[in-house]
Amino acid sequence: DVKVTQSSRYLVKRTGEKVFLECVQDMDHENMFWYRQDPGLGLRLIYFSYDVKMKEKGDIPEGYSVSREKKERFSLILESASTNQTSMYLCASSLDLKLDTQYFGPGTRLTVL
Amino acid sequence: GDSVTQMEGPVTLSEEAFLTINCTYTATGYPSLFWYVQYPGEGLQLLLKATKADDKGSNKGFEATYRKETTSFHLEKGSVQVSDSAVYFCALRMWVTGNQFYFGTGTSLTVIP
Repeated sequence: DVKVTQSSRYLVKRTGEKVFLECVQDMDHENMFWYRQDPGLGLRLIYFSYDVKMKEKGDIPEGYSVSREKKERFSLILESASTNQTSMYLCASSLDLKLDTQYFGPGTRLTVL
Repeated sequence: GDSVTQMEGPVTLSEEAFLTINCTYTATGYPSLFWYVQYPGEGLQLLLKATKADDKGSNKGFEATYRKETTSFHLEKGSVQVSDSAVYFCALRMWVTGNQFYFGTGTSLTVIP
């Protein structure tokens, strides 16, 4: 079974802090994704990566950056957290750009005070 | 642009009732269509998919048929169980835009005994 893990289930940070959200997948997948999930808005893509050190902006990249130094790990960085970044963050991975199935982690619920 | 619209929730049903969750899409080409399910405290899991018109996806008693003429992909189940309580997301993916999925806002289903 594919396993996608996220470093924290719950996180509380203060405005202005730098926040790192970590995601690790154990199936040698090429592609990894970061979404945020908000009530009434569904999932929105922040960034994705189709290879080590490669990244592409999604629909809402502002205020975020990412890092993919190793194939199995994809980090989401909030350089200076703000209250409007309070959300559920979901990481996903997929084997191939042509394949349809994305495998999701359990999510990190981030609260910015 | 490409998008997915699914029915508002929450939906509450008694066990063994018939379930329909409506999903319609807007796309410039011919997307692949998906239903994902998110059980409480977990990440999203692929429930079923269809890649071309008139295809029927099915899994765990759930079905959805890709209707090009009505641009719809409604999720149905003949007899729901308490264990089906979850949030259901309709999604599409366009081949021409690569790896980006567009998710609906999610529909929360609660099944009561």
